[in-house]
Amino acid sequence: EVQLVESGGGLVQPGGSLRLSCAVSGFVVSSDYMTWVRQAPGKGLECVSMIYSGGSTFFADSVKGRFTISKYNSENTLYLQMDSLRAEDTAVYYCARIKHNAFDVWGQGTMVIVSS
Amino acid sequence: DIQLTQSPSSLSASVGDRVTITCRASQRINNYLNWYQQKPGKAPKPLIFSASNLQSGVPSRFSGSASGTDFTLTISSLQPEDSATYFCQQTFSNPLWTFGPGTKVEIK
Repeated sequence: EVQLVESGGGLVQPGGSLRLSCAVSGFVVSSDYMTWVRQAPGKGLECVSMIYSGGSTFFADSVKGRFTISKYNSENTLYLQMDSLRAEDTAVYYCARIKHNAFDVWGQGTMVIVSS
Repeated sequence: DIQLTQSPSSLSASVGDRVTITCRASQRINNYLNWYQQKPGKAPKPLIFSASNLQSGVPSRFSGSASGTDFTLTISSLQPEDSATYFCQQTFSNPLWTFGPGTKVEIK
């Protein structure tokens, strides 16, 4: 069964850091494009980062220079390192697989709250 | 940047009604348009990819169509479990794809 399970969210102070994990099962993370999508409370969906199977990475302007996306094939896990966090980064963060130019499998999400 | 607008922003309809949601792109996106359904507290669920292709396991009452820069999601016979927010997404402009603001569908 194809499954994504996020972890690592929590409460962090402004300026702090968090690393989100997305454990992949049912497929090999190295062979697919993957993405992180966030949703602020009561708001819409924002694609914040993407990583291609070859390793190329992309970031939304809102997080560029602060977030890093990576995947570890040996662990079959996708990561999102978030530094210099701001209140506006508060959101549920989802990882998702990309197939046929769509996000076809999603994790359950992990909540990040940036507050003092 | 490509902008997506959705109309209406919300609607209320009865079980069995035919429901139509429109997503308009600010420029041509060559049918690179997907639809997702999201229920409260849950992750989005993919419904349709490339404007009109049903994702595996999605009921046939859902369908998608395209006309130029206008895209339509249709629920042919609304069911109680269809109460949700529906988002469109463009995947034409790489690399980061954008979503529409969403349409909330409620059951009368």
